[in-house]
Amino acid sequence: GDSVTQMEGPVTLSEEAFLTINCTYTATGYPSLFWYVQYPGEGLQLLLKATKADDKGSNKGFEATYRKETTSFHLEKGSVQVSDSAVYFCALSSGSGGSNYKLTFGKGTLLTVNP
Amino acid sequence: SQTIHQWPATLVQPVGSPLSLECTVEGTSNPNLYWYRQAAGRGLQLLFYSVGIGQISSEVPQNLSASRPQDRQFILSSKKLLLSDSGFYLCAWSRGYDQYFGPGTRLTVT
Repeated sequence: GDSVTQMEGPVTLSEEAFLTINCTYTATGYPSLFWYVQYPGEGLQLLLKATKADDKGSNKGFEATYRKETTSFHLEKGSVQVSDSAVYFCALSSGSGGSNYKLTFGKGTLLTVNP
Repeated sequence: SQTIHQWPATLVQPVGSPLSLECTVEGTSNPNLYWYRQAAGRGLQLLFYSVGIGQISSEVPQNLSASRPQDRQFILSSKKLLLSDSGFYLCAWSRGYDQYFGPGTRLTVT
C-alpha cells in the first residue's frame, strides 16, 4: 500500500537558518504530493502541493519539488522565522476511482525556531 | 469561500459514555468528507470517509461510527468510549485532490 516516510525530528533551528525536512514515499501510479502545517492547537493547513513529476510547489517561502526518480518531496526554506514553528506533515493522495482521494500522511516533523 | 466547522472544540468524557462530534461545511456542495484522529505522537489516522449522503467507508475497525445525514454534515459517534479513544479529531472536506481541515476537537476520555 501507499506510505510516506519523513524525518521525525524534532528539528530545532535558529532564526534565519536553512530548513530541510526530508520526505520519501511509496505509491502505485502517480500520486499527488502535499505538505501540510499544523500550528499548536489548530487543524492542518495546506502549505503547498505538486501534482506531477518535476513540479515545484511553493508558498510562504517554502518549496518542495516532486522527484519521481527518487520518490521524494523534500520541504525547504531558505530562512526560517520564529512564526514557522509548527508540525509539518508530508502526504500523498492516490485516487481510488471516482471523486474520492484519500490522503496518506507521514508521522509529522516538529520544527522549533528560536530567536 | 468555503469554511468548515467542528464542535465541540474540547470534550472530556468518562469511559463508557457516548460520543457525538459534528462537522459541517459551508460554501460548497457534494464534498467528500473525512474524519481523522491524531493521537499523542502526532500521526494522523484516517477513520472514515464519505462521498455522499448516507455513504460511509470505514478505514479502521473500532468502536466508532460515522454518519452523513445531510450533504454537508458529518457526524462521528460512539456508544461507549474507551480510554484509547482520546485524541485530536479532525474533519476535512475535498472536491478533488486538496483536503481542507477543520479546527479539530480535543477529546479526553477519563
